[in-house]
Amino acid sequence: SQTIHQWPATLVQPVGSPLSLECTVEGTSNPNLYWYRQAAGRGLQLLFYSVGIGQISSEVPQNLSASRPQDRQFILSSKKLLLSDSGFYLCAWSTGKQETQYFGPGTRLLVL
Amino acid sequence: SQQGEEDPQALSIQEGENATMNCSYKTSINNLQWYRQNSGRGLVHLILIRSNEREKHSGRLRVTLDTSKKSSSLLITASRAADTASYFCATGLIQGAQKLVFGQGTRLTINP
Repeated sequence: SQTIHQWPATLVQPVGSPLSLECTVEGTSNPNLYWYRQAAGRGLQLLFYSVGIGQISSEVPQNLSASRPQDRQFILSSKKLLLSDSGFYLCAWSTGKQETQYFGPGTRLLVL
Repeated sequence: SQQGEEDPQALSIQEGENATMNCSYKTSINNLQWYRQNSGRGLVHLILIRSNEREKHSGRLRVTLDTSKKSSSLLITASRAADTASYFCATGLIQGAQKLVFGQGTRLTINP
């Protein structure tokens, strides 16, 4: 069966520090991968998605970047965190275009 | 404005009652999906309904889709305390590439 992992679960970082969040999927090949951010009590904002290794589509210009170095690994990064980067970050995968998405447990990031 | 907007934003009912949530969207879709999110967790897929379908059932869940009105409803029958969660609709747009667009969600509270 397929599983999706995200780590860390919680992260507290100072303003101006770098960020690296990792997401890995097991049990499937060539998945579509997605990074979302969710503000408290709000909906999901799509940040990046990838349909293959090295292929990244950015949805919102911002302080973040994404990379897909391996088929089932998706990384969200920042060189210098801002206060506004705080939020709940969710990774998801799907088998194809607009099909069901399967979400990881999320990473709660607090930038102080 | 949002592609998918849920209504109401919050709903509180007694255990055993039925809960109905609505989702409206603005542009043509390939499919519409409903997800549930328990507090602080990732989203869980509930139902996917395609644009050529009008109704789908899964256990105590019933989803309808009216493409002429660009709206969908999610009905949860015989609600339980464990149904307390946020519910999101997500649309796969015809012009939407490899992604879904999520609404802001309905916060459902089931009172014992």
